[in-house]
Amino acid sequence: SAVISQKPSRDICQRGTSLTIQCQVDSQVTMMFWYRQQPGQSLTLIATANQGSEATYESGFVIDKFPISRPNLTFSTLTVSNMSPEDSSIYLCSVRRKGSYNEQFFGPGTRLTVL
Amino acid sequence: DAKTTQPTSMDCAEGRAANLPCNHSTISGNEYVYWYRQIHSQGPQYIIHGLKNNETNEMASLIITEDRKSSTLILPHATLRDTAVYYCIVRVAFGNGNEKLTFGTGTRLTIIP
Repeated sequence: SAVISQKPSRDICQRGTSLTIQCQVDSQVTMMFWYRQQPGQSLTLIATANQGSEATYESGFVIDKFPISRPNLTFSTLTVSNMSPEDSSIYLCSVRRKGSYNEQFFGPGTRLTVL
Repeated sequence: DAKTTQPTSMDCAEGRAANLPCNHSTISGNEYVYWYRQIHSQGPQYIIHGLKNNETNEMASLIITEDRKSSTLILPHATLRDTAVYYCIVRVAFGNGNEKLTFGTGTRLTIIP
């Protein structure tokens, strides 16, 4: 399995501000993904973080609101910009490890509350 | 995207087999069925996956109907630690190596002592 850490684990933010979430993996991975889990809901894919190029966003998510970086094969960031209370969610990164063709491994998540 | 339908909640007695159903009637021929579970406040954990054939690993068994429109996850001897939300997922693999997991609403499984 892959060991995935996310920082911060949780945060409380004021509306209108931005928060950058980091995802660090202990080994090189081929794919990195960002998900959102709103309170009491299932997971929704935000985007695929592509190494060295722009992320691929799912319908309903845009780069201006959720800019993503992936400078190398073990690290990615997701920024939640100009936050509103509706952005209060758990944000999770997941990875597909090199050589693994079975599953995505998920990080522990970042619990964000926007006041 | 192919969608999945699962019961909202289920109970199972400790030590018994837990059978979790899932409907995925719009699944396409190249789409896999995956099962994950999420224990409270943790990231989802992979359980098992399959395409056409039934699969078994150390955690569970996956039974897929011949028409692939539904499947059942079986936890053979449920323990209290199996209490979690179980997600049935359809995975689409794209030709460029990318993929997408589409999570359903999940089944909240409660194991009763």
